[in-house]
Amino acid sequence: GAVVSQHPSWVICKSGTSVKIECRSLDFQATTMFWYRQFPKQSLMLMATSNEGSKATYEQGVEKDKFLINHASLTLSTLTVTSAHPEDSSFYICSARGEQAMREAFFGQGTRLTVV
Amino acid sequence: EDKVVQSPLSLVVHEGDTVTLNCSYEVTNFRSLLWYKQEKKAPTFLFMLTSSGIEKKSGRLSSILDKKELFSILNITATQTGDSAVYLCAVAPRGYGNKLVFGAGTILRVKS
Repeated sequence: GAVVSQHPSWVICKSGTSVKIECRSLDFQATTMFWYRQFPKQSLMLMATSNEGSKATYEQGVEKDKFLINHASLTLSTLTVTSAHPEDSSFYICSARGEQAMREAFFGQGTRLTVV
Repeated sequence: EDKVVQSPLSLVVHEGDTVTLNCSYEVTNFRSLLWYKQEKKAPTFLFMLTSSGIEKKSGRLSSILDKKELFSILNITATQTGDSAVYLCAVAPRGYGNKLVFGAGTILRVKS
């Protein structure tokens, strides 16, 4: 299957700082990338969908100004958690999907964010 | 609103047992249903189902979809401790972005 690389795999930051998470498709062009958040023992919650070159579409209840998503190229999307607070601590996972012929999305390894 | 419901929420079995995990869904413009296995990190893909009645198999795992009754099952035969994980069911609606709607997952624990 296609490879999606997410970096970093874990990060600890101080309250009030910003953290950037990268999601790269290594062997295909990702026209669409999805960002999910997962709390312990809960399922994946879609935060936003981004298409290359256009603004991300955020799910209801997700703050656009807090979770900045950039999808500037067909192989890279970034999620920046701005002014992080302890309640932002979570597992963030991206997935990427290519052209119409590629019918499934592939997941990155996830990023464990801890805000102290 | 699109919805995916999985049952049971958790399950404990002994090695060698057979388990059946259930996934029911309500979604407008159904495209496909996917099963994932999640251990400690990100989910890994198991199956994608688009047509009713056609069983997909991979080793001891198999899955089938019923589009009339809006559900799918995932079977695992001769379970092993390595099968312990969270199994996630997701539905992909047609439309912009083809985002996935996930169920809450079934936590499976296989005891030796």
